[in-house]
Amino acid sequence: AQSVSQHNHHVILSEAASLELGCNYSYGGTVNLFWYVQYPGQHLQLLLKYFSGDPLVKGIKGFEAEFIKSKFSFNLRKPSVQWSDTAEYFCAVIPETGANNLFFGTGTRLTVIP
Amino acid sequence: GAVVSQHPSWVICKSGTSVKIECRSLDFQATTMFWYRQFPKQSLMLMATSNEGSKATYEQGVEKDKFLINHASLTLSTLTVTSAHPEDSSFYICSATGTRLNEQFFGPGTRLTVL
Repeated sequence: AQSVSQHNHHVILSEAASLELGCNYSYGGTVNLFWYVQYPGQHLQLLLKYFSGDPLVKGIKGFEAEFIKSKFSFNLRKPSVQWSDTAEYFCAVIPETGANNLFFGTGTRLTVIP
Repeated sequence: GAVVSQHPSWVICKSGTSVKIECRSLDFQATTMFWYRQFPKQSLMLMATSNEGSKATYEQGVEKDKFLINHASLTLSTLTVTSAHPEDSSFYICSATGTRLNEQFFGPGTRLTVL
């Protein structure tokens, strides 16, 4: 069965620190990859997505992610975090064949200290 | 971007009663809607997928008689939790996608507390 792993459950950083959140998936075929963010008290919002092409994807708010097919990974990065980046981050995968279902990772809580 | 709303945002009910949660796409036609359940500090678990005008497809382990889903129009899907029990207390989130959209748009979620 497909699964999505996020290794970091809770990350605490100071402002201006660099961020990298890990995401690995277990699916042998072609996948579409997503990162969602859930700010406190708000709904899920799409940060970025990868369907094909350049494996380095740039999203909103200075976030980017790199798809490394050989490692089944899609890590999220930001060079300098801000206090407003405090949120829960979810990696998600849709296998390209089959139903249009999103498989979510368990999420990573990011706390940025001013 | 496309907007999805949910109503109510929070509901408290007694054990044994039924609760209906609405999910609406406000500015697009949602050909497919998804219902997720999120436990505290855990990921979203897909419960079912519904296409307008047809029966919902439930994920393994989800009781279709307990979680009734109706997708009667292109802008509305409802989830009814029948004979709710305290273990049904959770955060229920819907998402929707349309024919010209290549991503799911999420509603704000509904927190259900069953006493």
